[in-house]
Amino acid sequence: DAKTTQPNSMESNEEEPVHLPCNHSTISGTDYIHWYRQLPSQGPEYVIHGLTSNVNNRMASLAIAEDRKSSTLILHRATLRDAAVYYCILRPPNYGGSQGNLIFGKGTKLSVKP
Amino acid sequence: NAGVTQTPKFRILKIGQSMTLQCAQDMNHNYMYWYRQDPGMGLKLIYYSVGAGITDKGEVPNGYNVSRSTTEDFPLRLELAAPSQTSVYFCASSYSSGAGGPYEQYFGPGTRLTVT
Repeated sequence: DAKTTQPNSMESNEEEPVHLPCNHSTISGTDYIHWYRQLPSQGPEYVIHGLTSNVNNRMASLAIAEDRKSSTLILHRATLRDAAVYYCILRPPNYGGSQGNLIFGKGTKLSVKP
Repeated sequence: NAGVTQTPKFRILKIGQSMTLQCAQDMNHNYMYWYRQDPGMGLKLIYYSVGAGITDKGEVPNGYNVSRSTTEDFPLRLELAAPSQTSVYFCASSYSSGAGGPYEQYFGPGTRLTVT
């Protein structure tokens, strides 16, 4: 499985944008880039995913490098509620069996200061 | 729609005891998963199921058993509990048509288990 590299921790001020980087230099051509986050004492929750093009949803934006070897999760205005561990995960298309599985690293712990 | 529910929320076991962690989902998802998370670490996959009657091992299956008799339920059985099984356990579910999509996973709130 292709690996991802993320900083252990990042800090942000409330209401400022946050850019969370992820390196995945061994990504295969068909791997999706997924982001999940885990708020304190909760289960992970899906944030966003992409394949090649940049993606936006109500929670965040995902910027994918042209060579797909890195990506950045963008929170446009951080709130205190965004303080969480953010996981960048590569996953092949799910044609069945173990392809549906997620492999979690340690993620990036984001702290948001008021 | 409750999503993924887990019971109990907390449990303390003595070494050698057994218990079953319950997980249910009401989204008609075919895939279900059990993960454990040790302090300061990411989640590790214990077992997964691609449909009723079909289960398979994940990364850390030793000391655990699962069954999937219905689409909705995916219980995790701990036999002969050991201190190394002290962890937070998360159940998750997702849908896949098998057509190659990304299909996000939905997680339950977790069960915090202590074995002493």
